Amino acid sequence: GAGVSQSPSNKVTEKGKDVELRCDPISGHTALYWYRQSLGQGLEFLIYFQGNSAPDKSGLPSDRFSAERTGGSVSTLTIQRTQQEDSAVYLCASSQQGRQFFGPGTRLTVL
Amino acid sequence: SQQGEEDPQALSIQEGENATMNCSYKTSINNLQWYRQNSGRGLVHLILIRSNEREKHSGRLRVTLDTSKKSSSLLITASRAADTASYFCATSNNAGNMLTFGGGTRLMVKP
Repeated sequence: GAGVSQSPSNKVTEKGKDVELRCDPISGHTALYWYRQSLGQGLEFLIYFQGNSAPDKSGLPSDRFSAERTGGSVSTLTIQRTQQEDSAVYLCASSQQGRQFFGPGTRLTVL
Repeated sequence: SQQGEEDPQALSIQEGENATMNCSYKTSINNLQWYRQNSGRGLVHLILIRSNEREKHSGRLRVTLDTSKKSSSLLITASRAADTASYFCATSNNAGNMLTFGGGTRLMVKP
């Protein structure tokens, strides 16, 4: 069966531009997560969606970061006015019953 | 701040040897999970151990959990070159299934 997919796989942008990263979770999974992984570092939690509940945004590093999940399925992570320190791999995961399944990630490079 | 801390940060062994990685965490957990990540992309779930379990096996993997010491270990027996990857522990608390990851152990298995 299909796993979690993310697009694009790679994104290079210029400082100051906005970017949108997409995540397609596993069908039927009610929970969706976004994480960020900087080079050589561990995963950093960004945001968590659970069903129709208000998302847990406690991990978003600044107000330039936002995410939405439409129809309880696809999610988009938006970074406005990108900075060089935003360069990282952005991972999405969906979950059912505690176990998280991760997508391949989007590698974002801000020049 | 990160919940989990892996130890060692890097480990280099010969094929056939056993590899042991440790993880410590700070607060009460519902479960602890180990993940593998190849080439900085695509986390793969390895094993989940619940807070009321002490040991769990899956193929060549053996995970232990000591909630009194807030620590876990991952043992890979008879290692193979293909086991070369970064290994992360992640904890989930009782409030939900949000994972918090440590920085990972980079394992290199030399053929």
